[in-house]
Amino acid sequence: KAGVTQTPRYLIKTRGQQVTLSCSPISGHRSVSWYQQTPGQGLQFLFEYFSETQRNKGNFPGRFSGRQFSNSRSEMNVSTLELGDSALYLCASSPDRARPNEKLFFGSGTQLSVL
Amino acid sequence: GESVGLHLPTLSVQEGDNSIINCAYSNSASDYFIWYKQESGKGPQFIIDIRSNMDKRQGQRVTVLLNKTVKHLSLQIAATQPGDSAVYFCAEISGGGADGLTFGKGTHLIIQP
Repeated sequence: KAGVTQTPRYLIKTRGQQVTLSCSPISGHRSVSWYQQTPGQGLQFLFEYFSETQRNKGNFPGRFSGRQFSNSRSEMNVSTLELGDSALYLCASSPDRARPNEKLFFGSGTQLSVL
Repeated sequence: GESVGLHLPTLSVQEGDNSIINCAYSNSASDYFIWYKQESGKGPQFIIDIRSNMDKRQGQRVTVLLNKTVKHLSLQIAATQPGDSAVYFCAEISGGGADGLTFGKGTHLIIQP
């Protein structure tokens, strides 16, 4: 089974721009979660989607949004980028039988740099 | 707020020795704990998990111990190998997972030849 796939691997943007990151979960997984990883704050939960619906949300501003498609693929969008948004954005999927955010299988992430 | 933390940012061990990585948590309502391994340039990789109704769980060369009395979690790696070099994170879930996983800061395990 292929793992979680995230594209692109690297992104460089400037302040004020917006960005869209893409994630394809493991085949058969309908739950997709997003996390932000920075050296200072570590790994922090952004949101979780299941069957095209946002099921849970972390404590991030409204500039961070996401969506999930009928094939379980997910995208997250960050608008009006700030320098502090520079981070590794990780997507993870989990089996349906697991509770939200249990048994997470992570992708390699998208490294976003905001200049 | 409540969070999961680790005692040491870096741990250096000799190849072949056993490694013990510790984690303290403060949320007594947490009922599920996980250890992840993150190698450079990769996402976290699931190692082992344990529920709060258990004290110990074993996997292949790894053992997780949970002490609810002192809110302490540990990961033991037997016969440490060069491939075990990575950053190890403990994480917890409470409240059914609605708040996502709460991760600790991580311990960088360095293997000395």
